[in-house]
Amino acid sequence: DAGVIQSPRHEVTEMGQEVTLRCKPISGHDYLFWYRQTMMRGLELLIYFNNNVPIDDSGMPEDRFSAKMPNASFSTLKIQPSEPRDSAVYFCASSLGLGGTGGPRGANVLTFGAGSRLTVL
Amino acid sequence: AQKVTQAQTEISVVEKEDVTLDCVYETRDTTYYLFWYKQPPSGELVFLIRRNSFDEQNEISGRYSWNFQKSTSSFNFTITASQVVDSAVYFCALSGANSGYALNFGKGTSLLVTP
Repeated sequence: DAGVIQSPRHEVTEMGQEVTLRCKPISGHDYLFWYRQTMMRGLELLIYFNNNVPIDDSGMPEDRFSAKMPNASFSTLKIQPSEPRDSAVYFCASSLGLGGTGGPRGANVLTFGAGSRLTVL
Repeated sequence: AQKVTQAQTEISVVEKEDVTLDCVYETRDTTYYLFWYKQPPSGELVFLIRRNSFDEQNEISGRYSWNFQKSTSSFNFTITASQVVDSAVYFCALSGANSGYALNFGKGTSLLVTP
């Protein structure tokens, strides 16, 4: 089990450029989450999917942000155009829905990827 | 609405001291889940524990223990005989059965253990 895989690990771009972050969840997990971490705001939920369908995108900052999950093994978070205030670490996480145990791969336990550190100049 | 408060922003202790990280939560859900995650300096988020709202038994895992009290809406985390490797940011989080399965995180407590 390779865990949740995110790419790129680091991205430096200039204001106005398009940024695409990618995530491969753990096989068999039916929930996928995108979080953003900044010093000022901590860990914020941006959007989450259940069975590839977006369930709650109320945390997406504005129309410049979009997320897709075309299949169970891949999701993208896109920022277009990027701005300096988008600089943050973006985490992808996946989990099973409720019904299992509470162990490390148990239901509702989010397993996080290593994060993508985005710097917008 | 759900809210998690970690009032301690930073804690500094000397190795071998015991330390307790506080977590207070608010939720309208009758069924909910509480979590602790650790974020070491390397940046990844590591799951430590999940508790269900209907199970108030305290839990011990090695040097780690958790005290869940519904009466005070608290889920505190104690590290006994702290070690330098415990230095990290610790996050308490909450999810509710009626609020979706996403975790709402507290702001985190940064723990520094010095030799």
